[in-house]
Amino acid sequence: AQSVTQLGSHVSVSEGALVLLRCNYSSSVPPYLFWYVQYPNQGLQLLLKYTTGATLVKGINGFEAEFKKSETSFHLTKPSAHMSDAAEYFCAVSGTGGSYIPTFGRGTSLIVHP
Amino acid sequence: KAGVTQTPRYLIKTRGQQVTLSCSPISGHRSVSWYQQTPGQGLQFLFEYFSETQRNKGNFPGRFSGRQFSNSRSEMNVSTLELGDSALYLCASSLELAGGRDTQYFGPGTRLTVL
Repeated sequence: AQSVTQLGSHVSVSEGALVLLRCNYSSSVPPYLFWYVQYPNQGLQLLLKYTTGATLVKGINGFEAEFKKSETSFHLTKPSAHMSDAAEYFCAVSGTGGSYIPTFGRGTSLIVHP
Repeated sequence: KAGVTQTPRYLIKTRGQQVTLSCSPISGHRSVSWYQQTPGQGLQFLFEYFSETQRNKGNFPGRFSGRQFSNSRSEMNVSTLELGDSALYLCASSLELAGGRDTQYFGPGTRLTVL
């Protein structure tokens, strides 16, 4: 079965600092990988996704993630945090083991201090 | 294009009652999935419908059921509500494949509170 581990349920950064949210997955085949963001009382919004091709994926709002097969990781980064980035972030994996139903990580709450 | 819509947004029920939630996918999307989100369990997959047929099912009791109509709109029903059913229920639609190569687009969710 596929699984996703997000390291750190909470990450705190200062405004303007680098954002790094960690995601590791388990898979024996190349997976499809996603990052979603959820603001309070809202649904999930896709930030970016990796399917095939370039391993560095650029998404919306200045976020990007790099697929590293050797490390089974898909960490999310943003060079400079903004107050509006404060939200819950979810990593998800699908396409492994013949399943196209995505498995989500437990989420990481990003806190941005002024 | 309009996004995924869910109604109602908020719902309060008492134990033992039943509830029906509705989801309208993005126009042209044929796959609709439902998720339950709670602080303790995170996002858990309930089921997925495609062309009016349940194609995938998560590990939830039979009290949770759903259906999809010919226009791809979907409903989920929870019978004999329990306190533990209090959650945010999210609906997601995609063109054809849930997850996989296709992207799931989520609605704002229905917040169900069971008293």
